[in-house]
Amino acid sequence: DVKVTQSSRYLVKRTGEKVFLECVQDMDHENMFWYRQDPGLGLRLIYFSYDVKMKEKGDIPEGYSVSREKKERFSLILESASTNQTSMYLCASTILAGVGDTQYFGPGTRLTVL
Amino acid sequence: AQKITQTQPGMFVQEKEAVTLDCTYDTSDPSYGLFWYKQPSSGEMIFLIYQGSYDQQNATEGRYSLNFQKARKSANLVISASQLGDSAMYFCAMRELLYNTDKLIFGTGTRLQVFP
Repeated sequence: DVKVTQSSRYLVKRTGEKVFLECVQDMDHENMFWYRQDPGLGLRLIYFSYDVKMKEKGDIPEGYSVSREKKERFSLILESASTNQTSMYLCASTILAGVGDTQYFGPGTRLTVL
Repeated sequence: AQKITQTQPGMFVQEKEAVTLDCTYDTSDPSYGLFWYKQPSSGEMIFLIYQGSYDQQNATEGRYSLNFQKARKSANLVISASQLGDSAMYFCAMRELLYNTDKLIFGTGTRLQVFP
């Protein structure tokens, strides 16, 4: 079974702190993604990566950056956390393939910024 | 404009009954894929079913089936014989091939509650 893990299920940080969310997948997938999920808005793509050291902006990249130094690991960084970044963050991965290949998701990190 | 629309914020169904969750989509790409995911209260997104735009038959996976009406651009999820464990958020999503991207576009979700 594909396994995508995220470093924390719950996280509480203060405004202005630098926050790291880590995601690891064990299936040698090329593509990895970070989403945030807010009630009534569904999932919105923050960043994605299709290879080591490669990254692409998603729909809402402002206030975030990412790092992919190893194929299995994709990190989301909040340089200076703000209260409007309180949200559920989901990581996903998939092989580099056709339109029918699903993304596999981690359990999510619920981040609260005070 | 919304590319994926789920018009039902919440649905109730009695155990053992069937339920349909609506999803409409908008794309000009002739090649696309439609997905349904389940998100229990634990938070993890679980893949349920996939339908390709060129598939001739509606997809089925156990108790899940997808009522695909291409001309109407709808891809409704049908859950037969509902179980209490089906209570969760359900998301419809689409991937377009035109832009050679692996991005999934999600709807806003439907919260399904199954009661005894």
